[in-house]
Parts: sequence; C-alpha cells; structure tokens
Amino acid sequence: QKEVEQDPGPLSVPEGAIVSLNCTYSNSAFQYFMWYRQYSRKGPELLMYTYSSGNKEDGRFTAQVDKSSKYISLFIRDSQPSDSATYLCAMTEGGGNKLTFGTGTQLKVEL
Amino acid sequence: SAVISQKPSRDICQRGTSLTIQCQVDSQVTMMFWYRQQPGQSLTLIATANQGSEATYESGFVIDKFPISRPNLTFSTLTVSNMSPEDSSIYLCSTKTGRENGYTFGSGTRLTVV
Repeated sequence: QKEVEQDPGPLSVPEGAIVSLNCTYSNSAFQYFMWYRQYSRKGPELLMYTYSSGNKEDGRFTAQVDKSSKYISLFIRDSQPSDSATYLCAMTEGGGNKLTFGTGTQLKVEL
Repeated sequence: SAVISQKPSRDICQRGTSLTIQCQVDSQVTMMFWYRQQPGQSLTLIATANQGSEATYESGFVIDKFPISRPNLTFSTLTVSNMSPEDSSIYLCSTKTGRENGYTFGSGTRLTVV
C-alpha cells in the first residue's frame, strides 16, 4: 500500500464548476500538507500549504486537512480553463525534509 | 521565493552513456533535492544534497548510478550514469522556499534513453 493515495483521473469539468481533489494517507506522522499544480512540461508549483488540521483559503482555492481521517482535499471554485493541469498532493513529517507525493490528478476544465 | 533554472530541459541519449543535469538557484540555499517523476507514478526523492558534504540517497538509489555535486550554495548537478531505457523519466531539482515550509521546483529534465 502506498503512503499517499490519489485518484489519477483524468477529471473533466465544465468551466465555472467546483472541483474537489482528494488524497488519503497512512502515515500519522505527516503534519505539513501541500498541494502543487503542474502544467505540462513544467515543474510543480506550490499552490497551498497547510500545517496540521483545518482549512485554508487563498482566492479560489481552499485546502482542507482532516488528520483524524488521514484525508486532505483541495477545492477549486469557479474553475477556469487555465486550471487545467495535474494537481499533486504532498506531505512531510514535522521537522523532516522529505516530501511524499501522491501520483497526481489530471484535471481538464472545458469551455 | 527561490527561482531555480534547470537544464537541459530535455535530451535523448544512447544507452550506456551519462547525462549531467544542472540546477542553478537565484539565492543561497542549504539543501537541494533531486526527484524522479516516472509516467503514472508519484515524484520520488532520489537524494538530498548539502553543500560541503556527501549527498544522502534514498532507498533504491545509489551514488554510483546518480552521482551528485554541490560545489556551492546556489548550484547542484545530478548525473545519470550508464543509462538504460528504464532511466527514461523526468528529473527535477528542488529546494525549500521562504514560503512557510513549501518547496520550489525546477522545470524538469525530460530524459529519453534509446
């Protein structure tokens, strides 16, 4: 079993839809949770960073962490074609430097 | 946050040869990380490179296959040695940003071994 599980998609939604992306994990020591966006032929770009449980909002993006369920989510409101990319969840233990990634979910927002 | 320039962006290499990938950071950073991204798989950490010391390799990766240099606080190289088609992948370097505990990545090197 992988430490981090993420549905690879692809996920296709119409423009303006609310998108929900999710990851589950098995290592209870993870404390820092991140979401990265990766466009084709580009490196991952940090979107959201969350420490421990709770919600964090940044513009159209909301990250949620539920440590009791070992489940994290990224919500994208009013999705745009420019949001079409692969979204990677990543996490690390407190004080550690190694990032553990999900496989990524490919998202396509259609006009 | 730090900006990383990575090159080459892509290359096609013959089996048995070696390729050196370079990453230049626009600020001094303590640690740099090298990842491999294979199709359909998650990014996997190869090694962590600190300036002035030997790189620390993750399980399944060895120095003879992936030698790393870190001559100063803004630069690092990863060499993929004695390549085989199984080494075809995207290789990425990374470092910690000033943004909380996030990490920034280079744009990646897409390697194809024929």
